[in-house]
Amino acid sequence: DSGVTQTPKHLITATGQRVTLRCSPRSGDLSVYWYQQSLDQGLQFLIQYYNGEERAKGNILERFSAQQFPDLHSELNLSSLELGDSALYFCASSPSVDPYGYTFGSGTRLTVV
Amino acid sequence: LAKTTQPISMDSYEGQEVNITCSHNNIATNDYITWYQQFPSQGPRFIIQGYKTKVTNEVASLFIPADRKSSTLSLPRVSLSDTAVYYCLVGDRGGSYIPTFGRGTSLIVHP
Repeated sequence: DSGVTQTPKHLITATGQRVTLRCSPRSGDLSVYWYQQSLDQGLQFLIQYYNGEERAKGNILERFSAQQFPDLHSELNLSSLELGDSALYFCASSPSVDPYGYTFGSGTRLTVV
Repeated sequence: LAKTTQPISMDSYEGQEVNITCSHNNIATNDYITWYQQFPSQGPRFIIQGYKTKVTNEVASLFIPADRKSSTLSLPRVSLSDTAVYYCLVGDRGGSYIPTFGRGTSLIVHP
């Protein structure tokens, strides 16, 4: 157990729908990172939050958004879902603003049908 | 951000030593080299990190030559459970770089 908790583990939804993925970072960690991993794209960085503020943005689509709450858990919102959004979504957390010692959760597998 | 290049895949047999080399020609002075392991449907897991020369822990060794333009992850006496994808990342440990994962090296260990 890495200490990073992601829910749900699996999610099946239809095209056009909206879903929310949740991540609870390891105790004491202030940074949360979101990644998308699909078969043809590898592991892609989406966005980082540090202590409630957006810190860095990667290849995140406009249909996707995220936030980090005062208790430091984070949510990734995916809307107007397309078949191509089917992927594993990972969350990682680290103690500070840099990723030294960062740890991944076990992921949420999203299937869009 | 220093780009890394690794072999796409490697095969080995149980009990052998495996060496995976990563090229990072544009590595910066403050950059560290970190290796991660990923099993199917799991998040990447930290293996080892180093700056120069040699670093060893309970699972692997990391060799970094003086020019730091490459690094080699060494896995001693691999077992079937070492079958995984291995990623080499380069970045400034003291900064706010975003770890960027390439395709990694898919290692398959055969009986």
